[in-house]
Amino acid sequence: QKEVEQDPGPLSVPEGAIVSLNCTYSNSAFQYFMWYRQYSRKGPELLMYTYSSGNKEDGRFTAQVDKSSKYISLFIRDSQPSDSATYLCATMGGTASKLTFGTGTRLQVTL
Amino acid sequence: DGGITQSPKYLFRKEGQNVTLSCEQNLNHDAMYWYRQDPGQGLRLIYYSQIVNDFQKGDIAEGYSVSREKKESFPLTVTSAQKNPTAFYLCASSIGPRGTQYFGPGTRLLVL
Repeated sequence: QKEVEQDPGPLSVPEGAIVSLNCTYSNSAFQYFMWYRQYSRKGPELLMYTYSSGNKEDGRFTAQVDKSSKYISLFIRDSQPSDSATYLCATMGGTASKLTFGTGTRLQVTL
Repeated sequence: DGGITQSPKYLFRKEGQNVTLSCEQNLNHDAMYWYRQDPGQGLRLIYYSQIVNDFQKGDIAEGYSVSREKKESFPLTVTSAQKNPTAFYLCASSIGPRGTQYFGPGTRLLVL
C-alpha cells in the first residue's frame, strides 16, 4: 500500500464548475500537507500549504485536511481552462523531513 | 529574479554513458533535493542535501550520485548502473529541511 493514494483521473469538468481533488494517507505522523499544480512538461508549483487539520483558503482554492480520517482535499471554485493541469498532493512529518507525493490527478477544464 | 534553474531541458544518454544534470538556485536555501517522475508513479526522491558537503540517499538512489560543494549547486549524475534512466528529473530546494520545497523546470532524460 502506498503511503499517499490519489486517483490519477483524468477528471474532466466544464468551465465554472467546482472541482474536488482528494488524497488519502496512511501515516498518522504526517503533519504538513501541500498541493502542487504541474502543467505538462513543467516543474510543480506550490498552490497550498497547511499544517495539521483544518481549512485554508486562497482565492478560488481551498485546502482541507481531516487528520482523523487521513483525508486531504483541494477545492477549486469557478474552474477555468487555465486550471487544466496535474494536481499533486504531498505530505511531510514524523521523523523524516522528506515529502511523500501522491501520483497526481490530471484535471481538464473544458469550455 | 530568485529561482531554481535546471539544465539542459532535454538530455540524451547513450548506452554505458554517465550524464550529469545541473541544478542551481539563488534563493539562499540550505536544502536541495532531486526527484524522479515517471508516468503513474508520482515523484520519488533520489538524493537530498540539507547542508553543503553533506547529502543522504532517498528512496531510489541506486545508479545515481550527487555532490554538494557549493550552497547554490546540487548536480546529479546518472551513471551507467542506472538501467532505466528515462524519466523527468526535478530539482527542488527549501530554506531548511522542513521548509516548503520549490521546484525547478525539470530535465527530461532520454536513452538513445
